[in-house]
Amino acid sequence: DVKVTQSSRYLVKRTGEKVFLECVQDMDHENMFWYRQDPGLGLRLIYFSYDVKMKEKGDIPEGYSVSREKKERFSLILESASTNQTSMYLCASSGTGIRTEAFFGQGTRLTVV
Amino acid sequence: AQKITQTQPGMFVQEKEAVTLDCTYDTSDQSYGLFWYKQPSSGEMIFLIYQGSYDEQNATEGRYSLNFQKARKSANLVISASQLGDSAMYFCAMRDGSGTSYGKLTFGQGTILTVHP
Repeated sequence: DVKVTQSSRYLVKRTGEKVFLECVQDMDHENMFWYRQDPGLGLRLIYFSYDVKMKEKGDIPEGYSVSREKKERFSLILESASTNQTSMYLCASSGTGIRTEAFFGQGTRLTVV
Repeated sequence: AQKITQTQPGMFVQEKEAVTLDCTYDTSDQSYGLFWYKQPSSGEMIFLIYQGSYDEQNATEGRYSLNFQKARKSANLVISASQLGDSAMYFCAMRDGSGTSYGKLTFGQGTILTVHP
């Protein structure tokens, strides 16, 4: 059974903290993605990675960075968390090829207080 | 830059009737893929159906079909014989097939579908 696992389901952090959201996939996928989901705005792409140590900015990269040191792991980093980064964060992975579907993790509900 | 637009924030349908969820897209690529996902209240993302830009026929998967109109840049999802379990958020998404953003997957705002008994 294919799997994308996010390290936390719920997370509460304080303003100014450095926050790490971890995502691991077991499908040997090249592509990995981080999205945030907000009501009325859908899923907005923060960053995606198409290979180890390779990354590309999505639509809303400000305030975030990412790390992909190993193929199976893609980390989202909030350098200094702010209240406007309170959101649901979804990680996904997919193979190469235009037809390949993306598989999603269960999501991390992050609250910054 | 590619963009997906879903203009229906919410839709209602009677059980056993058909419903169409709208999706329009904008891209300068000739090669691209279009996806629909379902997100129930549990939060998981479920892949429903795929349409390639070069596919000659509209995609179908069981009760799901995709009304693909390339010239209009629309890829509407049609759900036939709606069931109560179809109540969920539905997302349209597009993947770049060429250029420096190959593989990038962009989503729309989503449509909440409610099926009434």
